[in-house]
Amino acid sequence: ETGVTQTPRHLVMGMTNKKSLKCEQHLGHNAMYWYKQSAKKPLELMFVYSLEERVENNSVPSRFSPECPNSSHLFLHLHTLQPEDSALYLCASSQVFRAEVSYEQYFGPGTRLTVT
Amino acid sequence: AQSVTQLGSHVSVSEGALVLLRCNYSSSVPPYLFWYVQYPNQGLQLLLKYTTGATLVKGINGFEAEFKKSETSFHLTKPSAHMSDAAEYFCAVSESGNQFYFGTGTSLTVIP
Repeated sequence: ETGVTQTPRHLVMGMTNKKSLKCEQHLGHNAMYWYKQSAKKPLELMFVYSLEERVENNSVPSRFSPECPNSSHLFLHLHTLQPEDSALYLCASSQVFRAEVSYEQYFGPGTRLTVT
Repeated sequence: AQSVTQLGSHVSVSEGALVLLRCNYSSSVPPYLFWYVQYPNQGLQLLLKYTTGATLVKGINGFEAEFKKSETSFHLTKPSAHMSDAAEYFCAVSESGNQFYFGTGTSLTVIP
């Protein structure tokens, strides 16, 4: 496997379900990100982990819960979602060389989530 | 606050014609600038980036972009469009730390 992989690619869940999205990066990066992509909206940054420590949480509802057990893996745990949470969820990774510098992000293919 | 504006949510060009996708940003410090492309049902792929040095940067698939500080712009161009260029294009800016700001995207259609 190369690059950034995400599983599953498609997920349909009811509002009372609990599911998890998985992301794995094979690039040796030290930062990982979750984004939400909805139609006609800019990508919304949800969570950032740098060196396995969460450094950003942009007021995301608590029904989304991230987990980063190591620098290569990132999870997004989902529970009691709403229909408006239906979107493409993208994972990305990057290499942060210094605290003030970030370089390009590498994206996974995304998980298409539909909440019914 | 940082913002990225992509003028034109939809752009159509004829095959072989010039492609010009516009991006303007707001930043109080010299930013890092990126263009990404997204094909249907795929994630974003980096086309090119500007960090420092030469303001005209070349990327993959024949694309290039020029950083113009005075105009706070980073427009993407390609001299001759190909059918395979049809996709969604995103401009992004990183000012510092781990924060990236993306535009709303421009959908490029190539007409045979």
